[in-house]
Parts: sequence; C-alpha cells; structure tokens
Amino acid sequence: TQLLEQSPQFLSIQEGENLTVYCNSSSVFSSLQWYRQEPGEGPVLLVTVVTGGEVKKLKRLTFQFGDARKDSSLHITAAQPGDTGLYLCAGAGRAGTALIFGKGTTLSVSS
Amino acid sequence: DTGVSQDPRHKITKRGQNVTFRCDPISEHNRLYWYRQTLGQGPEFLTYFQNEAQLEKSRLLSDRFSAERPKGSFSTLEIQRTEQGDSAMYLCASSLGLANTGELFFGEGSRLTVL
Repeated sequence: TQLLEQSPQFLSIQEGENLTVYCNSSSVFSSLQWYRQEPGEGPVLLVTVVTGGEVKKLKRLTFQFGDARKDSSLHITAAQPGDTGLYLCAGAGRAGTALIFGKGTTLSVSS
Repeated sequence: DTGVSQDPRHKITKRGQNVTFRCDPISEHNRLYWYRQTLGQGPEFLTYFQNEAQLEKSRLLSDRFSAERPKGSFSTLEIQRTEQGDSAMYLCASSLGLANTGELFFGEGSRLTVL
C-alpha cells in the first residue's frame, strides 16, 4: 500500500515568516500534486510535479519533487494570512489507480 | 455554476438508517471519484469510475458502501446500516482524461452525521 506522510501536521506562524512542508513516501510516484483546502470547501489544485528534481514556483510558493520521485516539499516565502488552510499532497502511483492523499498540514498564519 | 455539485450538503441520520449522496461532475469529465474526509485529515480514497465503469474500490470500503454511475454522468454513493464511524465529509471529484495525473476538481462535499 502506498502511503504519503506529511510533516508537520500543524504549523502556526506569524505573517512574514517562511515555512516548509514535507511530503514523504517509501514508494515511487509517477507524479505528485499539491492541493490547498479551506474550511467548508473541497481541495483546489496548486501544482503538479512530474519529473524527478523538478522545481516549480507559483508566486511565493516553491514546490520541489525529489530526485527519486518519493518525496516533495512546499516552501512558502513571507507567509500571509491568506495562506491559511490545509495543504495536501497527493500521489499518483501505477497507471489506472486513483490519487492518494497525505493527511495534510494545517497552516495558520496570523497578522 | 459548472463545477462539481453534491447533494445534500448536510445529512443527519440515526444509526442503522441508509443514506444516499449524489454527485454531478463537470459535464465533459470522464472520471469521477469518491473520497471520505474527517476533520483536519486528508481525503481517504473510496472508489472511482471511468465513464460508467467502476475501476477501483478501496479495500477499506465495507460491503455497506456501494457506488454507481449508471450512465457515465452523475454518481450516487449509498451507505447502508450507517454507523457512528461513518460520520465524515464525503467528497466527490471529477477529472478529464485517462491518466491519473490530471487535476481533480472537487465538490464542496456532503457532510454526514450519524447519531
């Protein structure tokens, strides 16, 4: 069974701080996705990484896929209260299987 | 609104009753997924369809759960003889294409409370 471990589970920081969220597995994934979910809503896709070693930037968010395609990280620079939410990584394993999600990192950014 | 819609948004039921949730995906999407989520946790995969075919079902899904997508459009998820442990948010998502790397578009979920 493929599992995705996310850390930390909870993160509470002040506006302007930087943070990194990790997503790790013992399995290889063909791709990893990062979603953000706000209370009362479904998750919304932030990015998909496909190639080992790939780095993608989305404004203040930087996503990295590990060389072995077993792990990924999300780095946020100068966090803002609007970044508050549940951050989820999701992995696609072998063809024909559904995405599996990690347990998420709950981020709270206070002003 | 042309996004994924789910109905009902909230359902309160007594233990032992049956409940059914409906999901209407984005119209051109061929894949439809059901996930279950408890507070502060990530979505847990239940099952998914490609068109009308149910291609994968989680081994964690008990026989009390059944899902259908009869015409390859909307889908229903039925839970029979509900238990308190079934209380959760049931999320539906849809995607386009055959690969499992496509973006999932989620509905707002159906929250189930079993008393």
